[in-house]
Amino acid sequence: DAKTTQPPSMDCAEGRAANLPCNHSTISGNEYVYWYRQIHSQGPQYIIHGLKNNETNEMASLIITEDRKSSTLILPHATLRDTAVYYCIVRVETGRRALTFGSGTRLQVQP
Amino acid sequence: GAVVSQHPSWVICKSGTSVKIECRSLDFQATTMFWYRQFPKQSLMLMATSNEGSKATYEQGVEKDKFLINHASLTLSTLTVTSAHPEDSSFYICSASPQGRIGTEAFFGQGTRLTVV
Repeated sequence: DAKTTQPPSMDCAEGRAANLPCNHSTISGNEYVYWYRQIHSQGPQYIIHGLKNNETNEMASLIITEDRKSSTLILPHATLRDTAVYYCIVRVETGRRALTFGSGTRLQVQP
Repeated sequence: GAVVSQHPSWVICKSGTSVKIECRSLDFQATTMFWYRQFPKQSLMLMATSNEGSKATYEQGVEKDKFLINHASLTLSTLTVTSAHPEDSSFYICSASPQGRIGTEAFFGQGTRLTVV
C-alpha cells in the first residue's frame, strides 16, 4: 500500500467546513483512497473512498487531484461530534487484506 | 452499513488469568477477520488475520501462543489473551468485510478495553 502523509492535528470551528489534506505521491493506478475516522475509545468508522473521481456521500466529500497524488476530505458543516482522528489510507480495492493505519490527523472541532 | 459487534466492551482481569474477546459480524459472513491492538496515543497495529476454518496468521512480534485466535464460523472470531500481564493492557479492535464483495470498506467493532491488574 502506498504511503500517506497527513498533518498531525487541525482545528475547525463548529459549523464551518473542515478540509483534511492527505498526500499520497506514490499511489499506484489500482489503488484507492480510503478515509476512516476514530472517535475516542471507539473502533474506526468508514467515511468514504474513491479512485480518481470526486465522491460525495451523506458524511463527507472526497476531492482527489487530477494526478492522484493528493486528496482532501471535506466535512461540510463540522459539529463537535466530528472531533476524531481521521485516517487517510491508500490501498487496492479489496476487503481481504487488513488496513494499515498511519498516525492520522487529530481534528478538534471548537465550539 | 454492515455491523461488527465486539464483546465485552471493557474488561478488567487479574494478572495471570485469561480473557476471551468475541467479534461477530451481525448481518454478513466473513471468511477473514482482522485483530488490531491500539496503545494509548498510538495508531492501530495489526496483530493477526483470522481465517475461518484454518489457522490464524500472526504479524511479526505477536506471540501466537499468547494471543489465541479461533474463527470457527463465518460470523464469529475470538481472541483469547492467555496469562495476561499488565503490558497486555490495551484497546483491542476487530474488523471484517462482507464475504464475496470486492471493493468493500472494512467494518470495525467498537473495541474492547482490556486492563490487567
